[in-house]
Amino acid sequence: DVKVTQSSRYLVKRTGEKVFLECVQDMDHENMFWYRQDPGLGLRLIYFSYDVKMKEKGDIPEGYSVSREKKERFSLILESASTNQTSMYLCASGDGQGKNIQYFGAGTRLSVL
Amino acid sequence: GENVEQHPSTLSVQEGDSAVIKCTYSDSASNYFPWYKQELGKRPQLIIDIRSNVGEKKDQRIAVTLNKTAKHFSLHITETQPEDSAVYFCAATSNFGNEKLTFGTGTRLTIIP
Repeated sequence: DVKVTQSSRYLVKRTGEKVFLECVQDMDHENMFWYRQDPGLGLRLIYFSYDVKMKEKGDIPEGYSVSREKKERFSLILESASTNQTSMYLCASGDGQGKNIQYFGAGTRLSVL
Repeated sequence: GENVEQHPSTLSVQEGDSAVIKCTYSDSASNYFPWYKQELGKRPQLIIDIRSNVGEKKDQRIAVTLNKTAKHFSLHITETQPEDSAVYFCAATSNFGNEKLTFGTGTRLTIIP
């Protein structure tokens, strides 16, 4: 059973703080993704990575960066959190073998005050 | 890039009736169309998918149809049950290697007992 684990379910931060959201998968998947989920806007891709130390921008990368130093771990970084980054953040992984199935974590609900 | 539109945003049906959710896509190169279900407070999970070389796929009470000419695809749920209540997301991609999906904005389906 694929397991994608996000380090926090709920997080409250202040404007201007540096925020780290961590995601770990245990299936040796090549691909990992970060999305934000907002009501009425669906799942929007922030960044994805198809290999260690590789990253590509998604549809809404502004204000975010990512790090993938190890295959199993993909971190989302908010360099200076702002109130408009209050959202649900979902991590996902995929095996990159053409099956195209993404396995999601439980999500981190981030509130920036 | 790909753009996926999903309708309706909310849908209520009587238990036992059928539900249909429709999506359109913009990129004629897209060739894989999955549907994800997200129950309240849970992570999205793949429920069915279809590739562009077939027009219809069924799995028990759910089915997906694809019209490549019109660039739209639909999810059909028959004999709806209370456990079908959830948010459903369609998605599309032409990138098998990196599995990058473009998601629709979601449909909140409510089954009325």
